[in-house]
Amino acid sequence: SQTIHQWPATLVQPVGSPLSLECTVEGTSNPNLYWYRQAAGRGLQLLFYSVGIGQISSEVPQNLSASRPQDRQFILSSKKLLLSDSGFYLCAWSPMTGAKTEAFFGQGTRLTVV
Amino acid sequence: KQEVTQIPAALSVPEGENLVLNCSFTDSAIYNLQWFRQDPGKGLTSLLLIQSSQREQTSGRLNASLDKSSGRSTLYIAASQPGDSATYLCAVMEGGSQGNLIFGKGTKLSVKP
Repeated sequence: SQTIHQWPATLVQPVGSPLSLECTVEGTSNPNLYWYRQAAGRGLQLLFYSVGIGQISSEVPQNLSASRPQDRQFILSSKKLLLSDSGFYLCAWSPMTGAKTEAFFGQGTRLTVV
Repeated sequence: KQEVTQIPAALSVPEGENLVLNCSFTDSAIYNLQWFRQDPGKGLTSLLLIQSSQREQTSGRLNASLDKSSGRSTLYIAASQPGDSATYLCAVMEGGSQGNLIFGKGTKLSVKP
């Protein structure tokens, strides 16, 4: 069966520090991968998605970047964190695109920028 | 631009009640609609997926319907239990997208024993 791992679970970082969140998927190959952010009082917002190694698309302009160095690994990064980067970050994967596509989410990372 | 709205934002019911959560979306060109459950501080658990050609899906005490032409979906929970307390999120996958989901803000459900 497929599983998705996301770490760390919680993170407190000072403003201006770098960020690296990692997500890996097991039990499947060539998944579509996604990073979402859930800010307080707001719905989940798609940040990045990837349909293959090295292929990254960004949905919103921001202080963050994403990379996919391996088929089942997706990394969210920042060189210098802002207070507004605080939130709950969720990694997700789906096996394909289309009507039968179901998305599966990791357990999330709570990021607090202080 | 696709927008997803969930009503009500919060709901408190006594144990045993049947309840309905509502979701509406503005653009009917979707691949599917998915209902999720989120417990506090946790990730999302997929509950039901309804393809755009389907009218409803059932899993245990849960039943989700989809009326694509009117841009509406409902999640019906039968015989609610305290363990059902969580936030329920509705999300649509837009046609032509790479699986990107557009989410509503959720309905926070509290089931009182």
